[in-house]
Amino acid sequence: QQNVQQSPESLIVPEGARTSLNCTFSDSASQYFWWYRQHSGKAPKALMSIFSNGEKEEGRFTIHLNKASLHFSLHIRDSQPSDSALYLCAADDSGYNKLTFGKGTVLLVSP
Amino acid sequence: EAAVTQSPRNKVAVTGGKVTLSCNQTNNHNNMYWYRQDTGHGLRLIHYSYGAGSTEKGDIPDGYKASRPSQENFSLILELATPSQTSVYFCASGDALGGDTQYFGPGTRLLVL
Repeated sequence: QQNVQQSPESLIVPEGARTSLNCTFSDSASQYFWWYRQHSGKAPKALMSIFSNGEKEEGRFTIHLNKASLHFSLHIRDSQPSDSALYLCAADDSGYNKLTFGKGTVLLVSP
Repeated sequence: EAAVTQSPRNKVAVTGGKVTLSCNQTNNHNNMYWYRQDTGHGLRLIHYSYGAGSTEKGDIPDGYKASRPSQENFSLILELATPSQTSVYFCASGDALGGDTQYFGPGTRLLVL
């Protein structure tokens, strides 16, 4: 069974800082890797995904995936107070459209 | 954007009572999911479905049943509710492809007394 771990559990950064969130997974056959963001009291919403080794950038957000080390990460450039939220990483259970989520990282960006 | 709705949004139930949570999606997605979210546990998958008439056990199915009577609707049923099932429940839908986005409903806050 897939096991997804996130670190750190929580993080406080100043506005404008670069933020890095980490995720490890256990199923070496996983193909799909996601970051979801959940603002307080709201539904989780997909932020970014990556399906092959390497890096993918969308605006201020970058995902890195290293399948050999069973690790992927999310980097936020120029962090904004509106980025304050719970960040959930997820990896698929190989062969199924079923995701396993980590416990989340609470990010607070202070103005 | 995909539309997923849930009802009720808030529910108070008594221990031993039956609770039904409903989910509707209007995007013709094949897959639907029920998760619960508790502080310190992230999102945990309870049941999911690949289409009308199908239900599959997720990672924490004990104490829950699911029903998918149509493409649009997916219900989560607690036959004998317990206080440990107090949580926020999210429904999600997505297409059949492994890499497709899951779209979440607004959540149902359930309190079992």
